[in-house]
Amino acid sequence: SQKIEQNSEALNIQEGKTATLTCNYTNYSPAYLQWYRQDPGRGPVFLLLIRENEKEKRKERLKVTFDTTLKQSLFHITASQPADSATYLCALDRNYGQNFVFGPGTRLSVLP
Amino acid sequence: EAQVTQNPRYLITVTGKKLTVTCSQNMNHEYMSWYRQDPGLGLRQIYYSMNVEVTDKGDVPEGYKVSRKEKRNFPLILESPSPNQTSLYFCASRQGINTGELFFGEGSRLTVL
Repeated sequence: SQKIEQNSEALNIQEGKTATLTCNYTNYSPAYLQWYRQDPGRGPVFLLLIRENEKEKRKERLKVTFDTTLKQSLFHITASQPADSATYLCALDRNYGQNFVFGPGTRLSVLP
Repeated sequence: EAQVTQNPRYLITVTGKKLTVTCSQNMNHEYMSWYRQDPGLGLRQIYYSMNVEVTDKGDVPEGYKVSRKEKRNFPLILESPSPNQTSLYFCASRQGINTGELFFGEGSRLTVL
């Protein structure tokens, strides 16, 4: 069956450290994968998109990798700050971009 | 300002009383979609629309209807709401099928008693 998983429901790290979040999927063949941030009571906000032929993408303190052989994406936040505390969602495209499936999310807490 | 606007933001209703959650986007996006978000289940797609008059079922369409008569609007209709439709609902849009980024509304929290 198709499944998309994120490494843990919650992750606590110390300010200044690098946070690494994992997204694993089975029985999907996405053309691209996205990461979103969601704050409590708000809608998700797009962060990064990485295509199947790209190994790595960066945006400021954010870095995403995509390994289609392992069926895994890693999302890194370097020099983390308390303001980075939120839930992070990965999303895969399906049906050549017609719709998406979201992972359950990882709630990140950056402790001062 | 580019945005997706949902109304109402909060609603408490009773079983069987028809309701509509409106969604409007001002970005001239072709693609629109509805999701529900439940604890432990994440975001699940209800319906999506590739363009005006083109709609299709997502993963959890039962109990819902949609229409896309205008490009900017994509209302979600619950003909006979039931308690299992108590959830947080999000509308989202994007430019087209080959542009990935989804723009989400602020959400509509629905409680069905």
